[in-house]
Amino acid sequence: EIVMTQSPATLSVSPGERATLSCRASQSVSSNLAWYQQKPGQAPRLLIYGAFTRATGIPARFSGSGSGTEFTLTISSLQSEDFAVYYCQQYNNWPRFTFGPGSKVDIK
Amino acid sequence: EVQLVESGGGLVQPGRSLRLSCAASGFTFDDYAMHWVRQAPGKGLEWVSSISWNRGDIDYADSVKGRFTISRDNAKNSLYLQMNSLRADDTALYYCTKDIFTVVRGVFDYWGQGTLVTVSS
Repeated sequence: EIVMTQSPATLSVSPGERATLSCRASQSVSSNLAWYQQKPGQAPRLLIYGAFTRATGIPARFSGSGSGTEFTLTISSLQSEDFAVYYCQQYNNWPRFTFGPGSKVDIK
Repeated sequence: EVQLVESGGGLVQPGRSLRLSCAASGFTFDDYAMHWVRQAPGKGLEWVSSISWNRGDIDYADSVKGRFTISRDNAKNSLYLQMNSLRADDTALYYCTKDIFTVVRGVFDYWGQGTLVTVSS
C-alpha cells in the first residue's frame, strides 16, 4: 500500500497570505495525485487532479505542483472560505486509493 | 446539477447487516465509475470500494473485502453497498462518490453528503 503523508498538520495563516501544503508518497505515484478540501460538516470537494489540473469551478488561486513522490498545494491569497482541512490522495496504485491524514488551515 | 443522495445508514449491532443506497441525478449515471469512501468520526478519509460503469471492474479495501458488496443499477441511477458482519471499526460516515472517468481511476469529483453508520451493541 502506498502511504501518503502531509505537512504541516496545521497551518495558521492570515487572510490574504499565501499557504503552501506538502504531500509525500511512500513510492512514486507519477502525476496521479488529487487534492480535496473539506469544511466542517461538509463533504470533501475535489480541487486538483493530475497533480496540477484544477477541477471544474475551482478558483485560480489554488494551484498544484509536483510529481513522483513530492507534491505541493498552494493557495496564493487565502480567502475566508479557504479555511478548511486539505487532503491529498493518490490514484496511481489502482484500485488501492489512499489518502493523506490531512492538513488543517486555520486563521492566524 | 450533479446530486448524490445516500440513505440506509443507522445504528446496528456488531455482526449484523446494513444496505446503503445512493441515488444519483444530474449526469449520465451509466457513463461513470462510482465509489464508496468513508470517514470515521473525527478521522480522515478511507476508500472502501469501487465499481466501473459496466460492473466489469469491482474492488474493495482489504478492511472490508469478503464482508461488503458493491453493486449498481444503471436503470435506476443507483449505487449500493451491502455491508455484512459489521464491526465497531466500520462506524463511519459513508460517502457515495462519482469518478471523473468512465473506468475506475479514483478521482472523486462529486460527493454526496454521506450516511452515518454506527456499529454498537
